Amino acid sequence: AQSVTQLGSHVSVSEGALVLLRCNYSSSVPPYLFWYVQYPNQGLQLLLKYTTGATLVKGINGFEAEFKKSETSFHLTKPSAHMSDAAEYFCAVSEPGANNLFFGTGTRLTVIP
Amino acid sequence: KAGVTQTPRYLIKTRGQQVTLSCSPISGHRSVSWYQQTPGQGLQFLFEYFSETQRNKGNFPGRFSGRQFSNSRSEMNVSTLELGDSALYLCASSLEQPLDYTFGSGTRLTVV
Repeated sequence: AQSVTQLGSHVSVSEGALVLLRCNYSSSVPPYLFWYVQYPNQGLQLLLKYTTGATLVKGINGFEAEFKKSETSFHLTKPSAHMSDAAEYFCAVSEPGANNLFFGTGTRLTVIP
Repeated sequence: KAGVTQTPRYLIKTRGQQVTLSCSPISGHRSVSWYQQTPGQGLQFLFEYFSETQRNKGNFPGRFSGRQFSNSRSEMNVSTLELGDSALYLCASSLEQPLDYTFGSGTRLTVV
């Protein structure tokens, strides 16, 4: 069975500070991992994904995430927070060949000016 | 290119009624998936259609159903609405599998 745990339902950072959103997964097979962002009253937008290969994945808007198999983690980072980063972020996992995602419960990021 | 279009954006229904939501995928995308988003349960997978066939179904009661047409447009139907069905219903399309999901803006259903 697959599952995703996002530690911290709310994270606040100052503008210009490091953003770190945590995601741990459970999967019986090497997973595909995703980070999505959701702005109010909108759908989800893909930030980045890991399938195979390089474990450090770079995404849009300056975000990146590193797949660490030994820690079953896929934490999302951004060196310097911007006001426009305020949103809800979802980590998701899928098995190769599967046609659905399992989502974490989300982390709401607040950026303090 | 046009994104995933969901209609209507907002809907208010009375308990016991039924509702149909529509999703038009990105041109060329053959897979359409539906997710329910609520504050309590988060994002939960409803079902996925590919080339008019349901390939996968989540753990929802039979009141939730869907279909896909030959042009890849999809509809989902919820019968005998309950207050707990109030949610944001998101549709996502992809070429084949969720690696390339593009989500619509959702339909916010309120059951009163």
